This record gives sequence, C-alpha cells and structure tokens, in this order.
Amino acid sequence: QVQLQQWGTGLLKPSETLSLVCAASGGSFSDHHWNWIRQTPGKGLEWIGEIDRAGDIKYNSYLASRVIISPDTSKNQFSLRVSSVTAADTGVYFCARGKAIESPIPGTLSWGPKRYYKYYIDVWGQGTTVTVSS
Amino acid sequence: EIEMTQFPATLSVSPGEWATLSCRASQSIGRNLAWYQQTPGQAPRLLIFDASRRATGIPARFSGSGSGTEFTLTISSLQSDDLATYYCQQYNDWPRTFGQGTKVELK
Repeated sequence: QVQLQQWGTGLLKPSETLSLVCAASGGSFSDHHWNWIRQTPGKGLEWIGEIDRAGDIKYNSYLASRVIISPDTSKNQFSLRVSSVTAADTGVYFCARGKAIESPIPGTLSWGPKRYYKYYIDVWGQGTTVTVSS
Repeated sequence: EIEMTQFPATLSVSPGEWATLSCRASQSIGRNLAWYQQTPGQAPRLLIFDASRRATGIPARFSGSGSGTEFTLTISSLQSDDLATYYCQQYNDWPRTFGQGTKVELK
C-alpha cells in the first residue's frame, strides 16, 4: 500500500521561499508520475506541476516562473519550491501520485498497435498548511 | 486550459436518497476524468477514474458515467459518511484542472 508523507515550512513571510518535500513508500517510484497540488480559499484545487517517469517536469504556466519541482530518486522523494510568496499562496499543499492507465489513440476512441497512457491521481499526501503573513 | 464546471454547488439530500452530481468540461476530454471525495481537514480521496471505474475499496453505491464533455457522479442510497465535497478533475491535458466542487449536505 503506497503512502505519501510530506513535510516543510508552514509559516512564511511575503517574498520568502516555500519549501516542501514528499516521500513515497510502499511502491515503485519510477513507474509513476509525481504531482504537487494546492488548495487555496480563492481558487480551490490547483495543479502546480508534475514529474513524469522520464524525469521531465511540467508546470502550470501561471506559477512556472516561481516554481521548481525536483526529484530525488535515490530516496523516493520529490520536492517543491515556490519563491517570492505572497498572501495569495496561502493554502494547503498536497503531493500526489499519478498512476498510468492505458488510453485510446489521443483525440479518438480507437485503439491501435501503439500504446498510449494517461495518468490519473490516485494517492494523496496528508497535506501541509502553508500560511504567508507579515 | 480546460475549464471544469460542476453543478450544483450545493446538493441537499435525505439519507437513503440518490444524489446526482454533474461535471462539464470546456472541451472534449474523452473518458479522462476522475472524481474525488473530500471531508474537512482531509486530503481528497479517489472515487472514480476513467469516468466510470471505481477505485479500490470504493462502495458500489458510487458510480460514474459520461464521456466527452458531460459527466455524472451518482451516489445511490446516501449515507451519513457520504456528506462531503466532491470534485471532478480532468487528466486529458495539461494543466490538470479541477472543478469547484459540489458540497453534499443533509436535507
């Protein structure tokens, strides 16, 4: 049974850097994608970014200039850093696993000889409350 | 960015009744949709993926349907444990996006 345990700084002043780490246990780290998601009073659940199986990283464009997601495959961990935080970054931050599901040819309902995969989020960390206040 | 719209925002249901929650995508996402249940202070819990497949351990009273842009989560015979906020999320494209949630409360 895979579990995600996360930790990091909970109280920040404006302009400081948020730093969180998530550790995965009980499953294969290299078979999945790894996500950061936050939940804020103003915008609800927001996807921040993910690391895929190849180590490539995708970010939500509206945060991309301030966010770094990094893997540490030797420890089955990945981290999140958000720089220059403001009150708008206050919320609960979750790490989450993306699990593969075989998918039809993109844009169709047909299946071909080549395999395609989509990744849905199946396991979440417990969440870390982050407050930005002067 | 694919926008996910959920309705209603709040659903009042009596115990034992059916609850029907809707989710609409701003463009076709195939069946690449998941539903999550969240209670206060907890992380979301996966209920449904691939629009209609129940996650491990999820009771049969939860069912999902739909494809393309229109999706439904149905809770048959609502129980007190089901009082929560439910979110849909698309994983067809980046950025991944969530609906604003439907809060299920007791009538």
